[in-house]
Amino acid sequence: NAGVTQTPKFQVLKTGQSMTLQCAQDMNHNSMYWYRQDPGMGLRLIYYSASEGTTDKGEVPNGYNVSRLNKREFSLRLESAAPSQTSVYFCASGGTGTAITDTQYFGPGTRLTVL
Amino acid sequence: AQSVTQLGSHVSVSEGALVLLRCNYSSSVPPYLFWYVQYPNQGLQLLLKYTSAATLVKGINGFEAEFKKSETSFHLTKPSAHMSDAAEYFCAVSRSGAGSYQLTFGKGTKLSVIP
Repeated sequence: NAGVTQTPKFQVLKTGQSMTLQCAQDMNHNSMYWYRQDPGMGLRLIYYSASEGTTDKGEVPNGYNVSRLNKREFSLRLESAAPSQTSVYFCASGGTGTAITDTQYFGPGTRLTVL
Repeated sequence: AQSVTQLGSHVSVSEGALVLLRCNYSSSVPPYLFWYVQYPNQGLQLLLKYTSAATLVKGINGFEAEFKKSETSFHLTKPSAHMSDAAEYFCAVSRSGAGSYQLTFGKGTKLSVIP
């Protein structure tokens, strides 16, 4: 049982390049989330998906797109990377998504640097 | 809007001393509160959560937190710090969204343990 996995672990991009961050979970959770973590800012929600086929914007969605490919997989795409997107990105999944007390389980993160 | 504020971005304690990490919440409805821990270069993992069943919540690794409505607080404590407790700690509140629930995180408190 791997939990939440993310690929790649590290990535360096040049300004304007595109890339997709991959996330998969094997816990049969309905809800999945993408966060970014910046020093002194905590974690901020980029996008989330309450169930397969649905996605919604979080607090900081500009510059990102997401795809909920199936129940297991939730990808985050940067179409034209900018230095302001240098961050650590975390994917999480959480229970049925219908209980306010659901625990979210986090992946190990992707460290992205945009030059 | 629901939010949490963590007092102190850095806290240092001696090994064996009491650990106290502060979290205050702002919410117009009963809040559901979480503490997560992040060890260096890892994702977040749940320490404990308040679900209204009991005001004193016990978590993993000897940590506990007490929900105090009168003080709008949910401080995290541990009687005796270990070197292995050195990590960053995040308080979070669960809020409802489109078809799902999301977490709003505080900015985090980095705990250092001095031998």
